[in-house]
Amino acid sequence: QVQLVQAGGEVKKPGASVKVSCKASGYPFTKFYVHWVRQAPGQGLEWMGMINPNGGRTGYAQKFQGRVTMTTDTSTSTVYMELGSLKPQDTAVYYCARDPKNSRLDHWGQGTPVTVS
Amino acid sequence: QSALTQPASVSGSLGQSITISCSGTSSDIGGYNLVSWFQQHPGKAPQLIIFESSRRPSGVSSRFSGSKSGNTATLTISGLQAEDEATYHCCSYVGNYSLGVTFGGGTKLTVL
Repeated sequence: QVQLVQAGGEVKKPGASVKVSCKASGYPFTKFYVHWVRQAPGQGLEWMGMINPNGGRTGYAQKFQGRVTMTTDTSTSTVYMELGSLKPQDTAVYYCARDPKNSRLDHWGQGTPVTVS
Repeated sequence: QSALTQPASVSGSLGQSITISCSGTSSDIGGYNLVSWFQQHPGKAPQLIIFESSRRPSGVSSRFSGSKSGNTATLTISGLQAEDEATYHCCSYVGNYSLGVTFGGGTKLTVL
């Protein structure tokens, strides 16, 4: 079955960077885009960007341009999202989600809590 | 501030039907028939319940239905059950890569 498994939570200091992983299984890794979405405490969902594992092309929301980097490791079917220059407002749960077509986001990871303090 | 507008909360009694609206613009909802809806229980990841505005993934109850008219999408839940109490998020395709998708602020459904 399709699974997206994310690493455990992180605690970081302001100004630091965090790299969150998302390991995919149960489907052909390079045939599906992966999006990253975050959710601050008590808030809605916020789209951060996406990556095409087939070639690594990325697209980032304007808000995060210059501060976020998404990469893939096809040998381990893992997608990474690195966010730099962390601020307390970046405290959130970070999710990866699979996209079979037209941003359907049909399977999600369990989320990685990141605390900036 | 979210790009799509949803009511913060709705409520309904067991067995009733409710609707949740999601308003956008011609650049998102109105430009594509690509609205998704997600159900999220506390502490859990969102789960897709509607895609392409009105289609249900396999395994999702037929009590959930979606529609779209102009710049507004609507989620309808019929025959409310206790387990439907959750937060519902709408989402619209905006474009590929750096345009991506945009979400609403989420609607908390309370089942009375």
